[in-house]
Amino acid sequence: QLQPQESGPGLVKPSETLSLTCTVSGGSITTSTYQWGWIRQPPGKGLEWIATIYYSGIGFYNPSLKSRLTMSVDTPNNQFSLKVTSVTAADTAVYYCARRDLQLHAFDMWGQGTMVTVSS
Amino acid sequence: QSVLTQPPSASGTPGQRVTISCSGGSSNIASHSVNWYQQLPGTAPKLVIYGNNQRPSGVPDRFSASNSGTSASLVISGLQSEDEADYYCAAWDDSLNGQLIGGGTKLTVL
Repeated sequence: QLQPQESGPGLVKPSETLSLTCTVSGGSITTSTYQWGWIRQPPGKGLEWIATIYYSGIGFYNPSLKSRLTMSVDTPNNQFSLKVTSVTAADTAVYYCARRDLQLHAFDMWGQGTMVTVSS
Repeated sequence: QSVLTQPPSASGTPGQRVTISCSGGSSNIASHSVNWYQQLPGTAPKLVIYGNNQRPSGVPDRFSASNSGTSASLVISGLQSEDEADYYCAAWDDSLNGQLIGGGTKLTVL
């Protein structure tokens, strides 16, 4: 079972860049039947899809965030990453990475989430 | 429209049947399969329905779903206390060219 797990800085200052990494265990990130995504949840609020990427680097981004996003895949280390530039307090959230099964067309395996707070 | 609308709350007593609705549009629910996620307090979301009405392994058959045009519904039959959670619908959206997620419904078991 390919299991994703997030890691992040915990605290980021306003206007700086947030960098998150998702490490996939239990198999290869290049498995053709999966994509990999990021979803976030501000405190007390609902889920917001951020972006999804295939191991080849082909990505899909939330238009409302796209100008501030960069996603990449590190296949030797079985990781994928997300960078969010010019963060504000509105980016404070729990960030989840998840596996999207291309046969189910659904995020079927989620990491436990990592809390990121934007504050000076 | 590129938004999925859910009622903010729902409730039921143990043993009851509860329905949670999800309203979308021609670019999402009408064109793509709908998934439902359950989020227990303090935990990551869990997939409970995919492909409109398919359950992943391990999800009780008390959970079912249906679609009609631009709307979808999650049905929980024989409600149990452990079903108390937030539920989210989700679907691909052609206008967004991305994943849409509903605002979520907080289910309370009275």
